[in-house]
Amino acid sequence: DSGVTQTPKHLITATGQRVTLRCSPRSGDLSVYWYQQSLDQGLQFLIHYYNGEERAKGNILERFSAQQFPDLHSELNLSSLELGDSALYFCASSPTSGGAMKQFFGPGTRLTVL
Amino acid sequence: DQQVKQNSPSLSVQEGRISILNCDYTNSMFDYFLWYKKYPAEGPTFLISISSIKDKNEDGRFTVFLNKSAKHLSLHIVPSQPGDSAVYFCAATTGGYQKVTFGTGTKLQVIP
Repeated sequence: DSGVTQTPKHLITATGQRVTLRCSPRSGDLSVYWYQQSLDQGLQFLIHYYNGEERAKGNILERFSAQQFPDLHSELNLSSLELGDSALYFCASSPTSGGAMKQFFGPGTRLTVL
Repeated sequence: DQQVKQNSPSLSVQEGRISILNCDYTNSMFDYFLWYKKYPAEGPTFLISISSIKDKNEDGRFTVFLNKSAKHLSLHIVPSQPGDSAVYFCAATTGGYQKVTFGTGTKLQVIP
């Protein structure tokens, strides 16, 4: 158990809908990262927050947005969903903001868009 | 543009033998490299890392080698155990930067 929790574990929805994925980092970790893993793909970095502030953006679509709240949990919002958005979404946390810091991953949320 | 490449999608090794997983990168700005292991239905877990100022880092049965001139790194597992069967991801980053770039993973199967 990494100490990072993600809810829900599974999510099935329809095209055009909007969903929210939630992540609670390890106690004391200030950084939260979001990744997308599509079939047979590596983990694609989406976005990084540190202590409530956005620090880096990767290949995140404009239909996607995220935020980190004062209690340090984070939410990833996916809107106008398309079939291609079906994927595993991982959240990771680390104590600080350096990319070299090892990250602790949650179990992921599997999103299926029908 | 796949800046971190793991060209072998899968690898099978007998228990007790050496497993060698390879990773190539194209971005010469990368100066820190990490390996993560992933079991089914779980998130990746950190395994070992190496800074570009080193060419080798060891942690128990796991050793990572870095060849900067070839932009190549490898993970050696000796001896391999059935519990090592998992997907291994290579990742790279620049010092102090926030973004980590992952490869597509290599599925290792250790046969008892």
